[in-house]
Amino acid sequence: SQTIHQWPATLVQPVGSPLSLECTVEGTSNPNLYWYRQAAGRGLQLLFYSVGIGQISSEVPQNLSASRPQDRQFILSSKKLLLSDSGFYLCAWSQRSNEAFFGQGTRLTVV
Amino acid sequence: DAKTTQPTSMDCAEGRAANLPCNHSTISGNEYVYWYRQIHSQGPQYIIHGLKNNETNEMASLIITEDRKSSTLILPHATLRDTAVYYCIVRPSTGNQFYFGTGTSLTVIP
Repeated sequence: SQTIHQWPATLVQPVGSPLSLECTVEGTSNPNLYWYRQAAGRGLQLLFYSVGIGQISSEVPQNLSASRPQDRQFILSSKKLLLSDSGFYLCAWSQRSNEAFFGQGTRLTVV
Repeated sequence: DAKTTQPTSMDCAEGRAANLPCNHSTISGNEYVYWYRQIHSQGPQYIIHGLKNNETNEMASLIITEDRKSSTLILPHATLRDTAVYYCIVRPSTGNQFYFGTGTSLTVIP
């Protein structure tokens, strides 16, 4: 069966520090991968999605970037965090146009 | 961009059916209707999806109107654990993205 791993579960980082969140998927190959962010009390905002290694589509301009160095690995990064980067970050995968499955999320607080 | 409209919140008595409506009046012929739910501080959970016909699985039933401009998610016997935000999403069969709206906050009352 397929599983998705996302870590860490919680993270507190100072303003201006770098960020690296990692997401890996097991039990499937060539999945679509997604990064979402959810600000407190708000809906889910699609940040990036990837249909293959090295292929990244950005949905909104921001202080973040994404990379997909391996088929089942998706990384969300920032060189310098802003206060507004605080939120709940969720990774998800889908097999092409089928339903998406989400990880348990990382709650990031920038202080 | 979300193409659906849902009520902001709803209450349902425990043990009764919860009927969650969704309007998607601009849906295209190749777009599916998906439902997810998000329990507080967890990742969204897939519930069900459909194109034209009504669908049922172990979690819920999905009723899509004949003109496909609206749908209803039915939780037949709501429990306290069904308290969550429920998202209705339309997505083309060839699409890669899932766009979430603000969803409906369902509270199941004892």
